[in-house]
Amino acid sequence: SYELIQPPSVSVSPGQTATISCSGDNLKNKYASWYQQRPGQSPVLVIFQDTKRPSGIPERFSGSNSGNTATLTISGTQTVDEADYYCQAWDMIAVLFGGGTKLTVL
Amino acid sequence: QVQLQESGPGLVKTSETLSLTCTVSGGSISRSTYYWGWIRQPPGKGLEWIGSIYYSGNTYYNPSLKSRVTILVDTSKNQFSLNLSSVTAADTAVYYCARVEVFYYASGRSHYMDFWGKGTTVTVS
Repeated sequence: SYELIQPPSVSVSPGQTATISCSGDNLKNKYASWYQQRPGQSPVLVIFQDTKRPSGIPERFSGSNSGNTATLTISGTQTVDEADYYCQAWDMIAVLFGGGTKLTVL
Repeated sequence: QVQLQESGPGLVKTSETLSLTCTVSGGSISRSTYYWGWIRQPPGKGLEWIGSIYYSGNTYYNPSLKSRVTILVDTSKNQFSLNLSSVTAADTAVYYCARVEVFYYASGRSHYMDFWGKGTTVTVS
């Protein structure tokens, strides 16, 4: 079965660039989405169709998808960006989520 | 903008059926571009998609849960519901409902969740 693999954790200093990867077989042939989940809150869509930002999502969030890897990039990371991030894609007949990455900003 | 609200019992007994309802406001559940989905998150763990339904009743289910899941839609009430049978402690989780945007392209489709409810905690004991 198809799987999306994310690193369990990523650390970044405030103001620096954070990159979170999501790997899957030929993932470039699917569209990737990304969700931010702060503690105790519902997930929020931050990227859809690989690169698009929903209304209200800051420009520092961007996405890409090439080969077997989709990437979420947060430029000028702020402390408010500390959260869990999940990638997601559609495979044949099912929605798939990656295991999630805890982003620590310190 | 659209809002979703989950409702249902917070405690379900082992082997019984978990039943939740999601009420949609701020938009019609019958709008043709959307599916409506259920996602859950066990304590301290990641997100797991349960299934999605179109207003016509067409459904997609997580293959690992398919034998126990039924999702229904009631367009007259602008609601959709989840039934999960034969529950065990492993079904203890926060259950979210969400609007699912579907984008069709040349070689396939993309589903993503653009609006989520606040979630409801269900404990199986």
